[in-house]
Amino acid sequence: SQQGEEDPQALSIQEGENATMNCSYKTSINNLQWYRQNSGRGLVHLILIRSNEREKHSGRLRVTLDTSKKSSSLLITASRAADTASYFCATDPSRDDKIIFGKGTRLHILP
Amino acid sequence: ETGVTQSPTHLIKTRGQQVTLRCSSQSGHNTVSWYQQALGQGPQFIFQYYREEENGRGNFPPRFSGLQFPNYSSELNVNALELDDSALYLCASSLAVGETQYFGPGTRLLVL
Repeated sequence: SQQGEEDPQALSIQEGENATMNCSYKTSINNLQWYRQNSGRGLVHLILIRSNEREKHSGRLRVTLDTSKKSSSLLITASRAADTASYFCATDPSRDDKIIFGKGTRLHILP
Repeated sequence: ETGVTQSPTHLIKTRGQQVTLRCSSQSGHNTVSWYQQALGQGPQFIFQYYREEENGRGNFPPRFSGLQFPNYSSELNVNALELDDSALYLCASSLAVGETQYFGPGTRLLVL
């Protein structure tokens, strides 16, 4: 079963614009992580946000978490061609030892 | 580079065969998780090992089994391979359960 669902499934924006991706999940969580994957390679960890945190920043990345709505968003500011990739959220449910990924958002940055 | 390595990088097997995939964790990490990623999908959790014991399992049949060794490296074994087992297999290590996972580059398995 899918815990995390990213939205949109695909996104194309012009270089320099901001990109926003959303993730919704179903059960309570310990933490939520965002990953990037280039062309079917290994995943690169971007940010981990814990259930008692509301917002985290890392460089051009900003992640928010709303546990009341069971949702998270990833904002990439001033996008670059190198940001073209698939982005996944992964949840670590509170009452489960499984770590669950969504299907991802495919981001394409247009030159 | 995450410091997590996997071998082999690519593998071709035929239906019914058995396969062993290997993962070397980042130094100091005692937890390793394995994932299966089909084309166009997100990674699916297979299982997790913490200090050589299984610590959680996804919805995969028993023919998917694993081991974690005292040095925290790990193996994923798949018996009686099926065509649908064709996928990218990813391992990830972390300092502890619930901490940030660092992924290896994956092993791409093709079952013919």
